[in-house]
This record gives sequence, structure tokens and C-alpha cells, in this order.
Amino acid sequence: GQNIDQPTEMTATEGAIVQINCTYQTSGFNGLFWYQQHAGEAPTFLSYNVLDGLEEKGRFSSFLSRSKGYSYLLLKELQMKDSASYLCAVVDSNYQLIWGAGTKLIIKP
Amino acid sequence: ETGVTQTPRHLVMGMTNKKSLKCEQHLGHNAMYWYKQSAKKPLELMFVYSLEERVENNSVPSRFSPECPNSSHLFLHLHTLQPEDSALYLCASSQDLDSSYNEQFFGPGTRLTVL
Repeated sequence: GQNIDQPTEMTATEGAIVQINCTYQTSGFNGLFWYQQHAGEAPTFLSYNVLDGLEEKGRFSSFLSRSKGYSYLLLKELQMKDSASYLCAVVDSNYQLIWGAGTKLIIKP
Repeated sequence: ETGVTQTPRHLVMGMTNKKSLKCEQHLGHNAMYWYKQSAKKPLELMFVYSLEERVENNSVPSRFSPECPNSSHLFLHLHTLQPEDSALYLCASSQDLDSSYNEQFFGPGTRLTVL
């Protein structure tokens, strides 16, 4: 079967750095998305990786290793507004999005 | 309006009621999706439409009935639901269906409670 694993919840301090991991086992791979979802709101696109390596976008970076079936989202200089759930999703061989259950990130002052 | 909109935002219904959820996208996309989101579970894909044709139905109970009258509108008709159907129902759209870069744009969701 297809499976996406991410931690259920993480806590970090304002101004710090946090890394949210995602491992996957899917039938094929055509890319990996990270989305952010604030409570009661729509998921919004953060990043897309299809090749190995690090993609940097401001305070957020996303890394992919296809050989290890592994990705992480790195958030720097954490702000209170970064408190949200972070969803990892893989595009499989049928171009379907396979979703993880999300990681709830709690930022403390 | 821009993006993807959904109405109503909140819905409470009894098990014998009939209601409909509405989704509208203003992005000119060709594909639309219904998802169910329950606490601490992955997004569950319910239905997929491409150019108004249903292409995916992931074994969803018949008490959920989708309708896609045109490429901008998507409905989810609900009848005789069960309490376990209480969840956040999200609508999404994407430019196309069969591409690796298939960014989906989501609406804010309808929070459904079945009593």
C-alpha cells in the first residue's frame, strides 16, 4: 500500500528553527508537495520538489531525497503565525496526490 | 471573488436531512476535487472531476452524491448521513489532472456536524 509518515505534533520556540520530516512509500513518484493549513482554513501551497536537493524560499526550505523516500520542511526564524499544520503529499505514478496526516506545529513565545 | 470558495462554512444537520455543499472556483481550472478531512487523518479523496466528467470515486457511500454542472462549480449532495460523517469537507481545483506539478488550490472548507 501507499503510505506517508510525518510526526503528529511538534513544539518549537519563537525565533528558533524547526525541521518537519516526511517519509513515503508510494507506487511511483512524480513530486512532493508541502502545504500549510491554519486551523479552520484552507491548505495553502508552500513548496514542490521533484529533484533531489534543497529548495529555499525565504524562511522556508524543503529538501528531497528520492532514494531514501524522504523529505523535510525547514522553517527558520519561527514566528507565532507559523503555528499551523503542515501537510506532506506525494504525486504517485497515476498523478494522484497521496497525503500524510499532517504535523501540527505549536510555536511558543 | 478569487480563488476557490465554499458555502456554507458551517453546517449542522440531522441524520434524516438533505443538504448540499457548494464549491466555486474562479481560476479557470479543469479539475475539481472533494476531500474529507478528519482530525489526525490524511485527507481522503472522495471525488475527482476533470472537464465536468467524474474520473474518480474512491468507494464513497452513496449517501454522498457529487454534481459538476460546469468546470467552475461543484456540489456535494448529502442525505441520510451518519454521525461519523462529521468532518471538514474541502473542495480543491487544479489546472489539469494528469501532470506531475499538479498544485491544488483549496477552498476554506465546510465544517459539517451530523447529529
